[in-house]
Amino acid sequence: DAKTTQPNSMESNEEEPVHLPCNHSTISGTDYIHWYRQLPSQGPEYVIHGLTSNVNNRMASLAIAEDRKSSTLILHRATLRDAAVYYCILRGYSGAGSYQLTFGKGTKLSVIP
Amino acid sequence: GAGVSQTPSNKVTEKGKYVELRCDPISGHTALYWYRQSLGQGPEFLIYFQGTGAADDSGLPNDRFFAVRPEGSVSTLKIQRTERGDSAVYLCASSLSGLNTGELFFGEGSRLTVL
Repeated sequence: DAKTTQPNSMESNEEEPVHLPCNHSTISGTDYIHWYRQLPSQGPEYVIHGLTSNVNNRMASLAIAEDRKSSTLILHRATLRDAAVYYCILRGYSGAGSYQLTFGKGTKLSVIP
Repeated sequence: GAGVSQTPSNKVTEKGKYVELRCDPISGHTALYWYRQSLGQGPEFLIYFQGTGAADDSGLPNDRFFAVRPEGSVSTLKIQRTERGDSAVYLCASSLSGLNTGELFFGEGSRLTVL
């Protein structure tokens, strides 16, 4: 999988929107952009994914730049439960028989009450 | 159960011992993944099964690690001659398919401590 770059940490106030950035300048045309999050002492949890168009679901929105070299995960109203590590992942063919996810270190989001 | 189940949740063993970690995926999911996660790091890919076969084992660190999925459902990760460096949380995930649009569902992990 191609590499992504995310800030190590971010802070947000409760009930305010949060914009989590991700740079992926070497993305290939067939790579999907996936976001997962991991709450303390739990396994990662799927958040959202997209290819070219912006995507919305019940958890978040994903805004993808026109050149696809960057994307932003948007949490519309942060709650204390959203405090987690957020991983931005490019998912493409690994060349070894799978489309496995390759996790980086992610962004640790803290939510201030 | 509704989600991915992993047992044991915690395992403490001594250096040199043999360990088995079990993963029970969501019913009907043909794709199964094993990852391991060290403190402060993101999960690291180990192996991917499509059905009964290991389609991608490129992440296994050495030949002490082996995994099976004989009937295409439950999988067991086996670690021989454990070393202190094997201490980590071992995560299992399953998915309806192995394609790059699929959502992976993760279990809560098995924490392995090698003394």
